[in-house]
Amino acid sequence: DSGVTQTPKHLITATGQRVTLRCSPRSGDLSVYWYQQSLDQGLQFLIQYYNGEERAKGNILERFSAQQFPDLHSELNLSSLELGDSALYFCASSVYGRGNEQFFGPGTRLTVL
Amino acid sequence: GENVEQHPSTLSVQEGDSAVIKCTYSDSASNYFPWYKQELGKRPQLIIDIRSNVGEKKDQRIAVTLNKTAKHFSLHITETQPEDSAVYFCAAMMRKLIFGQGTELSVKP
Repeated sequence: DSGVTQTPKHLITATGQRVTLRCSPRSGDLSVYWYQQSLDQGLQFLIQYYNGEERAKGNILERFSAQQFPDLHSELNLSSLELGDSALYFCASSVYGRGNEQFFGPGTRLTVL
Repeated sequence: GENVEQHPSTLSVQEGDSAVIKCTYSDSASNYFPWYKQELGKRPQLIIDIRSNVGEKKDQRIAVTLNKTAKHFSLHITETQPEDSAVYFCAAMMRKLIFGQGTELSVKP
């Protein structure tokens, strides 16, 4: 157990819908990262927050957004869902920003039908 | 652009043999190189990492080497066991952590 929690574990929804994935980092970690893992792709970095502020952005679609709250938990919002958004979404946390070990949560498996 | 190439994509070895996975990265300013192991349907777990001021690091049966001049780093697993079977990802810290495409390691008993 890494200490990073993610909810829900599984999510099944329809195209066009909107969902929210939630992540709680390890106690004391200030950085939260979101990754997408599709079947045919590796881990794609989406976005990073550090102490409530956006720190780095990866290949995140405009239909996706995220935020980190004062209690340091983070939410990833996915809207206008498409079949291709079906994937495992991982959250990771680290103490600081770059160069620190990232601890991954168990992931949320999103299925868009 | 920011890129990490990982080879091979699949690797099959006999139990007890060694396994080597290689990665190259694009940004010479990269300073942190972790390796993650991911079992099917589970989260990636860090198994070893190395920073740019070190050329080699070892932890029991696992070792990582880094060649900054050539911009490549490798994972070596010795005396492989069936429980080593998993997907292994290398990564390099550029402005963000960039992952390789993964290597599916299969250790046959």
